[in-house]
Amino acid sequence: DAKTTQPTSMDCAEGRAANLPCNHSTISGNEYVYWYRQIHSQGPQYIIHGLKNNETNEMASLIITEDRKSSTLILPHATLRDTAVYYCIVRVAVAAGNKLTFGGGTRVLVKP
Amino acid sequence: GAGVSQSPSNKVTEKGKDVELRCDPISGHTALYWYRQSLGQGLEFLIYFQGNSAPDKSGLPSDRFSAERTGGSVSTLTIQRTQQEDSAVYLCASSLTSGGAGAGELFFGEGSRLTVL
Repeated sequence: DAKTTQPTSMDCAEGRAANLPCNHSTISGNEYVYWYRQIHSQGPQYIIHGLKNNETNEMASLIITEDRKSSTLILPHATLRDTAVYYCIVRVAVAAGNKLTFGGGTRVLVKP
Repeated sequence: GAGVSQSPSNKVTEKGKDVELRCDPISGHTALYWYRQSLGQGLEFLIYFQGNSAPDKSGLPSDRFSAERTGGSVSTLTIQRTQQEDSAVYLCASSLTSGGAGAGELFFGEGSRLTVL
């Protein structure tokens, strides 16, 4: 699976949009981009995934560049409960047995 | 239950003892994963089960670690002769399928925190 690069940490103001970047310049055409987050002392939580089109759900939006070499996770109105480590993962979806490989992620701190 | 259930939530054991950690995946989920997370570290893949296929054991750190999944549902991770470096949170996850985009949507349990004294 392609390697991803994320900033180690970032701060965000409560109520403002949080934009979390991820670089995946070696992504293959059949690899999806997945985002997870892990709140302190909890198991990781799935947020969203996409292939090439932008995606939105109740938690976040995912913007993928046209060349698919990078993406941005957007939390539209960050709350204190969004403080967590956010993981960007790329994964081949079609084959069985493809485990998700978690990198270091971005530690996001939402401040009042 | 509605989510992935793991037990025990906390386990303290003495070095050299064997431990068993249990995972009940979401009903109907065919894929089951075990990860572990040491303090302040990222998630480390251990093992993956999919239906009746042979499990992917590529992440197991030593032959002291083993896992089984009975009847395609409940899984048990066993650590024999525990060492202090085995101390970590052991996380189980399940997914509805193993192929396709949805296969990347894993549902995690809250984990079993293992402390080896």
